[in-house]
Amino acid sequence: DAGVIQSPRHEVTEMGQEVTLRCKPISGHNSLFWYRQTMMRGLELLIYFNNNVPIDDSGMPEDRFSAKMPNASFSTLKIQPSEPRDSAVYFCASSLQGAPNQPQHFGDGTRLSIL
Amino acid sequence: GNSVTQMEGPVTLSEEAFLTINCTYTATGYPSLFWYVQYPGEGLQLLLKATKADDKGSNKGFEATYRKETTSFHLEKGSVQVSDSAVYFCALGRGTDKLIFGTGTRLQVFP
Repeated sequence: DAGVIQSPRHEVTEMGQEVTLRCKPISGHNSLFWYRQTMMRGLELLIYFNNNVPIDDSGMPEDRFSAKMPNASFSTLKIQPSEPRDSAVYFCASSLQGAPNQPQHFGDGTRLSIL
Repeated sequence: GNSVTQMEGPVTLSEEAFLTINCTYTATGYPSLFWYVQYPGEGLQLLLKATKADDKGSNKGFEATYRKETTSFHLEKGSVQVSDSAVYFCALGRGTDKLIFGTGTRLQVFP
């Protein structure tokens, strides 16, 4: 079975540019999570969706970050304008809500470098 | 609030040594507990889980027992291999989809 698919795997862009990260969750999963991982701050939850609806975006760092989930099989995380401090690995994960104790399944991440 | 505390790394071991990575938690009620592993360049993968007190999760030679009396979920393996080198995350889940992760512990195993 296909896992969580993220694209691109690597992104290098200049400060001020718009960056869009994409995620396709596992088919049938109805919860989706965006995380950011850095050496300094570790793994941070940015936002999560249940049934395509944002539930908790308290981890989104600032207004430059936005996330959407237009349907059950696709989500985007957008940074506009990007800054060097946004450089990190961004992970998407999905899980099946409603069934107890279900784990999250992670994609391989997008490594973002802002120059 | 709910939280997870892991021992700081790196943990450095020789091949075939015994491994323990400590994890303690703070939570109301009866959370589920998880260990995830992250290999270089990859996302986190579920390693094992336990859903109630005294449950033992196990996978790939790793074990962890849910101890409510000590609020702990320590990860153990009797004989580590070089291929076990990775970052290990303890996590807590309580009735919601939002997991609380520890800060991760890096394990380095040398031949």
